[in-house]
Amino acid sequence: GAGVSQSPRYKVAKRGQDVALRCDPISGHVSLFWYQQALGQGPEFLTYFQNEAQLDKSGLPSDRFFAERPEGSVSTLKIQRTQQEDSAVYLCASSQGVGVSLHFGNGTRLTVT
Amino acid sequence: GQQLNQSPQSMFIQEGEDVSMNCTSSSIFNTWLWYKQEPGEGPVLLIALYKAGELTSNGRLTAQFGITRKDSFLNISASIPSDVGIYFCAGRSDAGGTSYGKLTFGQGTILTVHP
Repeated sequence: GAGVSQSPRYKVAKRGQDVALRCDPISGHVSLFWYQQALGQGPEFLTYFQNEAQLDKSGLPSDRFFAERPEGSVSTLKIQRTQQEDSAVYLCASSQGVGVSLHFGNGTRLTVT
Repeated sequence: GQQLNQSPQSMFIQEGEDVSMNCTSSSIFNTWLWYKQEPGEGPVLLIALYKAGELTSNGRLTAQFGITRKDSFLNISASIPSDVGIYFCAGRSDAGGTSYGKLTFGQGTILTVHP
């Protein structure tokens, strides 16, 4: 596709439910990032993939957060046993290579009730 | 948590006015970037700065990479209504094991332009 595609655009989950957020990066982009953006804040780094390898997961807030990119293209961010503090916009970004400009998707807005 | 302090938090200006916003950091960054985000969309890159002291323009936008590598500013000249949005600075360390380019973002400046 022309840009980074994320689905769903909106997700409402009851506290304690598991959710899965999908990211389709720009075709051929090696690097993929997940960021979390709380209301009124800038995005905060969660995790980074180079192809299928998860090279940095230092930003994941707890072990309830898990990300994968098994074939080096589509990525899924999974949040288990969601809590209210998980409510945020989750942004995916991709780039052609290391240190190159990121292209962001429009995000998934997660609301935990 | 975030390391970048961005100011002002919000600005309300008249169409045609110039705008200035800045970002400071307690850490050195090797790259500074400025993004714009509109409601319901992801951030879009406006300007990238790669060298300390660098001054770069993109149309009505001008940004500078501070000499100390701990600050940057963005100016918008002759603002128009479509400049409305949230502007974020972001720094990239490109150091050692994090050379892939993880970004640290500021808190954002909300810009409102009155026609």
